[in-house]
Amino acid sequence: DGGITQSPKYLFRKEGQNVTLSCEQNLNHDAMYWYRQDPGQGLRLIYYSQIVNDFQKGDIAEGYSVSREKKESFPLTVTSAQKNPTAFYLCASRPPPGTSVSYEQYFGPGTRLTVT
Amino acid sequence: AQKITQTQPGMFVQEKEAVTLDCTYDTSDQSYGLFWYKQPSSGEMIFLIYQGSYDEQNATEGRYSLNFQKARKSANLVISASQLGDSAMYFCAMREGEDYSSASKIIFGSGTRLSIRP
Repeated sequence: DGGITQSPKYLFRKEGQNVTLSCEQNLNHDAMYWYRQDPGQGLRLIYYSQIVNDFQKGDIAEGYSVSREKKESFPLTVTSAQKNPTAFYLCASRPPPGTSVSYEQYFGPGTRLTVT
Repeated sequence: AQKITQTQPGMFVQEKEAVTLDCTYDTSDQSYGLFWYKQPSSGEMIFLIYQGSYDEQNATEGRYSLNFQKARKSANLVISASQLGDSAMYFCAMREGEDYSSASKIIFGSGTRLSIRP
C-alpha cells in the first residue's frame, strides 16, 4: 500500500535535546512538507522540499532543520533552539504535476512531540 | 498576503441536518486553489474537496459541496445529511497559483470544530 509513514506516533524528550522526526513516503512524490499544529490551531508550514537536495523555509522555520537526501525521506530535526517544541507535527507530500490530483496534499498520521 | 479566515470556532448540528462551514480568503493572485480538510480526533488530515479559482462550477464530492463565491472571496463547505462520524475539526486552506513550480505552499485557516448531535 502506498502512503506516508511518520514514526513514532508519540515522542517524549527532555528540554535541550535535539530530536529528529521521521517521514517516509512510497508514493513517488517529489514535493514534501512539514507542518506544525498547536492545540486548537490550524497548520503552519515549517519547511518544504520540491526535489531531492533542495528545500525552502516555510513560515516558522526557526529552531528546525531538514534534509532531503532521498526522494522518499524528509526528516525534521527539532533543535534545542526551538523555544516551544511541544506540538503535533504533520508531514505531507504532493503528486507530481500533470497528474489528475496534482493539487492535493497527502498527509501522514503525525507525530505528537512532548518536551519537558 | 495570503490569509484564510474561519470565523466559527465551534458548531453543533443535529444529525441528518445540513451544515455550512464558513471560509473567506484573501489573495492578490488570479490563480489559486481552495481546499477543505477534515481532522478527526486521531489527528490525521483527510482531504475532502478542492476548487480551482478558474473552475466555473462548484465542486462536489458525495455529501460535500463547496459554495465558491469568487467576488466575495468565500469558499464555504456544505455537508448535506450530517452523520455522527462527521464530528471533527474542519480546515479551509488555500494555495496561490496553480502552476506547480510557482507556489507550493498551502496556508490553513484556524479551523471549525463540528459536533453532530444524535
